[in-house]
Amino acid sequence: KAGVTQTPRYLIKTRGQQVTLSCSPISGHRSVSWYQQTPGQGLQFLFEYFSETQRNKGNFPGRFSGRQFSNSRSEMNVSTLELGDSALYLCASSIHWTSGQETQYFGPGTRLLVL
Amino acid sequence: AQSVTQLGSHVSVSEGALVLLRCNYSSSVPPYLFWYVQYPNQGLQLLLKYTTGATLVKGINGFEAEFKKSETSFHLTKPSAHMSDAAEYFCAVSFPSGGSYIPTFGRGTSLIVHP
Repeated sequence: KAGVTQTPRYLIKTRGQQVTLSCSPISGHRSVSWYQQTPGQGLQFLFEYFSETQRNKGNFPGRFSGRQFSNSRSEMNVSTLELGDSALYLCASSIHWTSGQETQYFGPGTRLLVL
Repeated sequence: AQSVTQLGSHVSVSEGALVLLRCNYSSSVPPYLFWYVQYPNQGLQLLLKYTTGATLVKGINGFEAEFKKSETSFHLTKPSAHMSDAAEYFCAVSFPSGGSYIPTFGRGTSLIVHP
C-alpha cells in the first residue's frame, strides 16, 4: 500500500507570491490534516478535511487555505507569502479521524523557503 | 486549554543505556496521547498511543510509555538505546473539536545516542 505522498518536496518562493502544495492520502483514507513545522513554533495544526469538508482549522491567518477533492487528495494554498511562512508543511491521512484514536500517517513533507 | 510539555529539548544517552523522554500534558477532557518519531527529512511516524484501557502501552522499536493520570504524564522509555534511535521525538495530545479531533504537539526532544 502506497504511503502519503506530498508534492513538491522542496519549493523556493519570494515574498508576495502564492504557493499550492499537494497531498495524496493513503488509498481509502478520507481524512487529511495539514501541519506547519518550524524551529520557532514547532508543529502546529493548520486544518483538517474529511469528505471534501473542512472540519477544523487551526489558528492561522486567512492567507492559509485548503481544499479536498472527491478522491480525497488535498491541496493547501498560501497567498501573499511572508518570510515567516518558511517551514516544513506536513500532511497526514487517516481513515476517519473522528474518534481521536485512529492512527495518522504522515507524508515526508514539503519544505518551503520564502526569500 | 490543552497543552503538552516535553522536558528537555535534547537528551543525550550512551548506546545501551536507558532512554527516558518526558511528557506532561494538560487537558480538560480525557486525553488521547501519542508519541511520534521524526527522522531527518522525513515525516512523523507513530511510535505508540494511549486511548483507553491498559496504562502501559508498548510501541514499535522497543519503546513503551505509561499513562499516569495522577501525574498527568506520559513518559516514553526504552531499556537499551540503539544508535538508530537518534531522532526527534514528539509527544501529542488530541482533544475533541467540531466533530473531529485536534492534536497539540510538544516542542519535541532530540535524542542523541553516543557510541
